[in-house]
Amino acid sequence: EPEVTQTPSHQVTQMGQEVILRCVPISNHLYFYWYRQILGQKVEFLVSFYNNEISEKSEIFDDQFSVERPDGSNFTLKIRSTKLEDSAMYFCASSEDRSGGSPLHFGNGTRLTVT
Amino acid sequence: SQKIEQNSEALNIQEGKTATLTCNYTNYSPAYLQWYRQDPGRGPVFLLLIRENEKEKRKERLKVTFDTTLKQSLFHITASQPADSATYLCALDMSMDSSYKLIFGSGTRLLVRP
Repeated sequence: EPEVTQTPSHQVTQMGQEVILRCVPISNHLYFYWYRQILGQKVEFLVSFYNNEISEKSEIFDDQFSVERPDGSNFTLKIRSTKLEDSAMYFCASSEDRSGGSPLHFGNGTRLTVT
Repeated sequence: SQKIEQNSEALNIQEGKTATLTCNYTNYSPAYLQWYRQDPGRGPVFLLLIRENEKEKRKERLKVTFDTTLKQSLFHITASQPADSATYLCALDMSMDSSYKLIFGSGTRLLVRP
């Protein structure tokens, strides 16, 4: 069964550094998402992306965050200047459609640790 | 604004029993409600989806109900097994326009004792 893949599985970075988290969504999906989960907390929506532009973003997704689909297969999340509170699991997801009737397919996440 | 509420206390049951998990929301009824399973250190995995005009949906040992009057969905696992132990998340589409913004509840942890 096709799956969403994320790399790296674990990223350690120093505060103030830039990180790029990478995702390969399912190939025939057109809608892409990033979520994050701070340890012990809920899965939080960050951003949705379609047709090479952001569809919707949450208040967490400030100017330090950006997303890009640099080619036909990758979808990236960049954090420009990491803070300690950015430490979390970051999940990429994709879906065939963009209605509430379309399930999201998640990757297994990148654990980001900011020191 | 719309809130999703799931019981934050873990549900601890004996193998073979039926587990029932609750998801309540506060405002408008969504057109769809989804349930996911999450294992520690892994991404959520889609289980079932129910539409607002459906009262009940089944898949193998899983059953979901959706009561728009009570603003509640119940998720049942019959003949539970230790392998069903995980956190179960309900999710609603909260987008206000043509975009898609699936928002998750905080989840309920299920522990099935052998």
